[in-house]
Amino acid sequence: EPEVTQTPSHQVTQMGQEVILRCVPISNHLYFYWYRQILGQKVEFLVSFYNNEISEKSEIFDDQFSVERPDGSNFTLKIRSTKLEDSAMYFCASSDPAGKRLEQYFGPGTRLTVT
Amino acid sequence: AQTVTQSQPEMSVQEAETVTLSCTYDTSESNYYLFWYKQPPSRQMILVIRQEAYKQQNATENRFSVNFQKAAKSFSLKISDSQLGDTAMYFCAFMKHVVSSGSARQLTFGSGTQLTVLP
Repeated sequence: EPEVTQTPSHQVTQMGQEVILRCVPISNHLYFYWYRQILGQKVEFLVSFYNNEISEKSEIFDDQFSVERPDGSNFTLKIRSTKLEDSAMYFCASSDPAGKRLEQYFGPGTRLTVT
Repeated sequence: AQTVTQSQPEMSVQEAETVTLSCTYDTSESNYYLFWYKQPPSRQMILVIRQEAYKQQNATENRFSVNFQKAAKSFSLKISDSQLGDTAMYFCAFMKHVVSSGSARQLTFGSGTQLTVLP
């Protein structure tokens, strides 16, 4: 069964550094999402992406964040200058263009630790 | 803006018993979708069940069923014949209906209920 994959599973970085989190959505999906979950808190929406542009973004998704689909398979989230409060689990998700766009399939997540 | 509330941070149930997890939401939308996601210790989010607001019939998926009360804005999840593998964090989530075919749709999650199935 196809699945969303994410790399790395765990990333440790120093405050102020740039990080890129990578996701490979399910191959025929056209809608892509990033969510984050700070430890012990709820899952929060960051951004959605369709047709090579951002369709929605939350207040959390400020100028420090960017997303890109650099090729036909990867979907990346970049944080330009990490802060301690960016430490969280980041989930990528994708959904199907035809019929089942409602169902978002999540990857296993990348745990980001900012020190 | 939509809000989703799960008032039970933790619950436990004996194996083979039935348990109900509560969820309420607030929205001004008339058409929307509701979901229950499961997050086991592996942390991967797995869709359990979904409900379209325009459907009166409650959704069921094997041992999982929902009680959707649109007027009360309530969406509870019932797990029958609980199994040890059901131990997980369960999140209720809301998605509003968007007419435009090009729009991706964000999920709004509740704070979750940690369910433990006891042997």
